[in-house]
Amino acid sequence: AQRVTQPEKLLSVFKGAPVELKCNYSYSGSPELFWYVQYSRQRLQLLLRHISRESIKGFTADLNKGETSFHLKKPFAQEEDSAMYYCALMASDSNYQLIWGAGTKLIIKP
Amino acid sequence: DVKVTQSSRYLVKRTGEKVFLECVQDMDHENMFWYRQDPGLGLRLIYFSYDVKMKEKGDIPEGYSVSREKKERFSLILESASTNQTSMYLCASSLWASGQETQYFGPGTRLLVL
Repeated sequence: AQRVTQPEKLLSVFKGAPVELKCNYSYSGSPELFWYVQYSRQRLQLLLRHISRESIKGFTADLNKGETSFHLKKPFAQEEDSAMYYCALMASDSNYQLIWGAGTKLIIKP
Repeated sequence: DVKVTQSSRYLVKRTGEKVFLECVQDMDHENMFWYRQDPGLGLRLIYFSYDVKMKEKGDIPEGYSVSREKKERFSLILESASTNQTSMYLCASSLWASGQETQYFGPGTRLLVL
């Protein structure tokens, strides 16, 4: 079965410290993976997708097919990074539906 | 900029009432989605539509129905609201095109069923 697991419900780090939000997936085919972010009182929006291979707001995520992971990383956390982060998977036969993780709330302490 | 709007930010309804949640997008997207967002459960797909009058059940369709009479509008209907349908409801839209799968979300409707 297709599944996305975000093992941490809550992650709290100090400003300036490195951040890693974990995402593991279960899918036998070739997935497309996404990170979405929801800042306080804002709508959910795309942060980045693995196919783009880009860095957004200092965040990067590498697809590791061997470990079936797509962890989100940032070397130096900023207070404005505090938000809810969701990892999502799109299967190749899914009609563009996404399978979502439960989300990780990231709190950056000053 | 893609704009997805939802008819209400907050709704309070009584058990047994019929509830309509409306979503409108202005970017000519084929795909539209209704999700529930609950703490610790993430986003769960209720229904999905890939074209006018077309709909597919998501993971939790029970107690809900949808209507897509026009491309830009996707309505979620709670036929007889129950307290366990108290939640945040999110609408999203996307293109039906490989490489363009980004989902654009509305601001959400927080529904309280008493």
